[in-house]
Amino acid sequence: QKEVEQDPGPLSVPEGAIVSLNCTYSNSAFQYFMWYRQYSRKGPDLLMYTYSSGNKEDGRFTAQVDKSSKYISLFIRDSQPSDSATYLCAGRKTSYDKVIFGPGTSLSVIP
Amino acid sequence: KAGVTQTPRYLIKTRGQQVTLSCSPISGHRSVSWYQQTPGQGLQFLFEYFSETQRNKGNFPGRFSGRQFSNSRSEMNVSTLELGDSALYLCASSETGGGEKLFFGSGTQLSVL
Repeated sequence: QKEVEQDPGPLSVPEGAIVSLNCTYSNSAFQYFMWYRQYSRKGPDLLMYTYSSGNKEDGRFTAQVDKSSKYISLFIRDSQPSDSATYLCAGRKTSYDKVIFGPGTSLSVIP
Repeated sequence: KAGVTQTPRYLIKTRGQQVTLSCSPISGHRSVSWYQQTPGQGLQFLFEYFSETQRNKGNFPGRFSGRQFSNSRSEMNVSTLELGDSALYLCASSETGGGEKLFFGSGTQLSVL
């Protein structure tokens, strides 16, 4: 079993829609959670970094972590065609431990 | 500041050969991590170096090795290449490797024939 699981998609939504991306993880020791965005032929870029359970908002993006159910979510409001990318969730046990990524969900936002 | 630089961008090798990939981190960053990315497995952690010492290691065979130099530049080596080693190899740097953002390069696309 992979430590971090994601539905690979592809997910296709119309411009302006609210997008919900989800991950589950199996390692209960994870305390830090991240969402990265990866455009084609580029390396991933950090979107959100959260510690423990709770919500974090940054502009159109909201990250949610529920440690009791080992569930991570990313919500994108007013989605734009420029949001079309692969979204990777990740977790780590301590702030100096290796970062473990999910396989990514491919998102297309259609104009 | 210049970003993370990986060379070469593309590489074609045959089975049994060995390959060395290079990563130059952002100036001032002392931690370098390596990841293998494939369509089926996603991003898998290979190893992390900090101040020339391997600090974390993933679950890859001993054919995969790395090192870090005193200027923080890092290389990874894969010996006795197998077809399954075909992947995008990504390098990421951070100031200390702890708690902050990983900055990724654009990767080296390795094809093993």
